Amino acid sequence: DQQVKQNSPSLSVQEGRISILNCDYTNSMFDYFLWYKKYPAEGPTFLISISSIKDKNEDGRFTVFLNKSAKHLSLHIVPSQPGDSAVYFCAASTGTASKLTFGTGTRLQVTL
Amino acid sequence: NAGVTQTPKFQVLKTGQSMTLQCAQDMNHEYMSWYRQDPGMGLRLIHYSVGAGITDQGEVPNGYNVSRSTTEDFPLRLLSAAPSQTSVYFCASRTTGAGNTIYFGEGSWLTVV
Repeated sequence: DQQVKQNSPSLSVQEGRISILNCDYTNSMFDYFLWYKKYPAEGPTFLISISSIKDKNEDGRFTVFLNKSAKHLSLHIVPSQPGDSAVYFCAASTGTASKLTFGTGTRLQVTL
Repeated sequence: NAGVTQTPKFQVLKTGQSMTLQCAQDMNHEYMSWYRQDPGMGLRLIHYSVGAGITDQGEVPNGYNVSRSTTEDFPLRLLSAAPSQTSVYFCASRTTGAGNTIYFGEGSWLTVV
């Protein structure tokens, strides 16, 4: 039972355009959501997070939107840069972030 | 990655062998955990610890043991390696308080033949 789903395994976007990565979850008890970025042969690195009390969080080029009623969150990257090419994981937790449930990841490729 | 060190980075084991993946963090984090990453599966939690002397099982604990004798170290033991344990293993840590970021190590690539 996949509680966190990233239905797009890959996404290709031109440099300068917006990248939108989507994530759906089924467990209504999740109240904290994170996005991690992963380059090959490296560990995931934290990108941005959002608590369920908010519907938007912004950090530079990265914005995460949360729609609790739809159990859906999305990560927007504007403008996209070649260095953003990586695998992006959505993760969710209940209460504490020590037990994260991850999605399967979306591979983003930003082309020139 | 911020202060989480994993060793070894690569290891090949024969079926039935045992080994320990080491994890150390220098950030005085209370929480530590181990995940495995398999193709098409995302990262899955194996075991976690909320502090020295306290451990608990995650989503996929079978075949693995952990202990937490100090705040800094959280080794993962494979008791009798199986080909199904071929994976990439990530150790992670964070401080207390809901919503704090988890920091990951760089990963340990394990192949069981």
